[in-house]
Amino acid sequence: DAGVIQSPRHEVTEMGQEVTLRCKPISGHNSLFWYRQTMMRGLELLIYFNNNVPIDDSGMPEDRFSAKMPNASFSTLKIQPSEPRDSAVYFCASRMGLAGSGELFFGEGSRLTVL
Amino acid sequence: GENVEQHPSTLSVQEGDSAVIKCTYSDSASNYFPWYKQELGKRPQLIIDIRSNVGEKKDQRIAVTLNKTAKHFSLHITETQPEDSAVYFCAASKGGTSGTYKYIFGTGTRLKVLA
Repeated sequence: DAGVIQSPRHEVTEMGQEVTLRCKPISGHNSLFWYRQTMMRGLELLIYFNNNVPIDDSGMPEDRFSAKMPNASFSTLKIQPSEPRDSAVYFCASRMGLAGSGELFFGEGSRLTVL
Repeated sequence: GENVEQHPSTLSVQEGDSAVIKCTYSDSASNYFPWYKQELGKRPQLIIDIRSNVGEKKDQRIAVTLNKTAKHFSLHITETQPEDSAVYFCAASKGGTSGTYKYIFGTGTRLKVLA
């Protein structure tokens, strides 16, 4: 398996534009997590899904952020409209579930810069 | 809500010395405590984990200890080497409904091993 795949790896956009980040989890994993990483706040959990269903979105900063998981192999995180304070590295991670070891497998991350 | 505090934020040690990173968690129901290592520009990767029914776990030069009463756990690295230089994150997790696990990370410790 190629691991968790995220795209784009880098995104530079202007304030007010819509940003869509994409994630393909490891095949067979049934939990998917979106994290935001900044120097000040470390790894913040934004939202996570279990069997494609959002379980907890309490970490989503505000209504400008939304996430979907239409099927077991794809998820998106959308920011609309984007603001400079959204600049961060966004990680997607997946996990096998109860049958697994508990390990979270992270993607390479999407580095977002909002000018 | 759940909170994980991690100290110190930066740590410098001489090669060959030991390094200790400490975390405290707020949710007494947490039962799984992993540690992740993130090298510069890379994704976080699991290095060791411990479950709440165990007080200590070792894997070669790294070990983790857990004190459930005090709600804190620590990472110990002995005989440090330059390749141990990285950011280390602790996390706390507990099982939820439908077998879901919510992982809350500490803010990270930047470890520098000086040659």
